[in-house]
Amino acid sequence: QVQLQESGPGLVKPSETLSLTCTVSGGSISSYSWSWIRQPPGKGLDWIGSVSYSGSTNYSPSLKSRVTISRDTSNNQLSLTLTSVTAADTAVYYCARVTGSGNLGYWGQGILVTVSS
Amino acid sequence: ENVLTQSPGTLSLSPGDRATLSCRASQSVSSNYLAWYQQKPGQAPRLLIYGASSRATGIPDRFSGSGSGTDFTLSISRLEPEDFAVYYCQQYGSSPLTFGGGTKVEIK
Repeated sequence: QVQLQESGPGLVKPSETLSLTCTVSGGSISSYSWSWIRQPPGKGLDWIGSVSYSGSTNYSPSLKSRVTISRDTSNNQLSLTLTSVTAADTAVYYCARVTGSGNLGYWGQGILVTVSS
Repeated sequence: ENVLTQSPGTLSLSPGDRATLSCRASQSVSSNYLAWYQQKPGQAPRLLIYGASSRATGIPDRFSGSGSGTDFTLSISRLEPEDFAVYYCQQYGSSPLTFGGGTKVEIK
């Protein structure tokens, strides 16, 4: 059974860098594509970006200049880095496994990250 | 980007009722790559439907998806108490992946 667990700081100061890790168990991250999605409190879902099974990345145009998604195959982990954060980046951040042709079949429980001084 | 518009924003129904949720895309969704998710408070979204009409593993058959091109529908034949939640559509036919704004199905 695939399980995903996000981890990282719950509080980040404005202008600093948000860094999150997604630890995957029950399957190799090299065999699938993965996405990061975020959800501001009380709002809808926003796709941040993806890393494919081959390691190529694809980002939301609105975040492309600030975001990096990478993977650590030796530890079976994904990472998300978002630079120069503002209060607008406050959200629950989810990692998810891409199934089929792009739907998201497995999700982590999510982690709330608050941007505040 | 392909903008998805969901309607209505809120649907007030009773257990046993039929629910019909709409998702309209600003551009045709390639290969009908349209998914539906259910989200309950404090939980991650759960995949219900992919490819516009295929149920994900373990999803009850009271959930069905239909549509093609730019107009898609999620139907719940008879609402169970656990079905009251927020539902999102998502297209994955083109980049960037996009989600609709959601439809909340609430108890009347």
